[in-house]
Amino acid sequence: SYELTQPLSVSVALGQTARITCGGNNIGSKNVHWYQQKPGQAPVLVIYRDTNRPSGIPERFSGSNSGNTATLTISRAQAGDEADYYCQLWDSSTAVFGGGTKLTVL
Amino acid sequence: QVQLVQSGAEVKKPGASAKVSCKGSGYIFTNYYMYWVRQAPGQGLEWMGIINPSAGSTTYAQKFQGRVTMTRDTSTSTVYMELSSLRSEDTAIYHCGRGSWGGAVDCWGQGTLVTVSS
Repeated sequence: SYELTQPLSVSVALGQTARITCGGNNIGSKNVHWYQQKPGQAPVLVIYRDTNRPSGIPERFSGSNSGNTATLTISRAQAGDEADYYCQLWDSSTAVFGGGTKLTVL
Repeated sequence: QVQLVQSGAEVKKPGASAKVSCKGSGYIFTNYYMYWVRQAPGQGLEWMGIINPSAGSTTYAQKFQGRVTMTRDTSTSTVYMELSSLRSEDTAIYHCGRGSWGGAVDCWGQGTLVTVSS
């Protein structure tokens, strides 16, 4: 089965840029989606199909995908961005989630 | 606005079944698939399966094959997820989510806590 690898945690200074990676075999050939989940809340879609932002998601959130790594980039990080982030894709009629990354804003 | 409202928390004994409902509103119910995703305490998101509310067809994650059943009632715009032979490891929050086959989940239910305890 397809596996997605995310770092357990990423830290970023307030106002700086955070990058959260999602690794998988030839992931660049697949559509990757990203979710933000704050404690006690349901996930929220922040990036779909590698680079697209749903309405209401700030432009500070962007995505890229190439080779074996997809990346969620959060520019000008704010305290409110502190959350768990999950990547997700489809492989062989199965939806797969990464293990999640806890983003801490210092 | 698009909204998914799930049923309330449940406490079940090992070996029992749990059935969670998810009612959609604010959109054409049969135009979108419904995902079921669970999250054990302190853990990540785990995909359980997906149902096409229009056709009623389902695809389940291999891990849950034989234990999970997803159904829908188009007259009430509601989907159901039933998990049988519950064990303590099934204690989790169960989320429904609207999405597309092969795509992303663009709207999530609030989650339903299912606790399995003797």
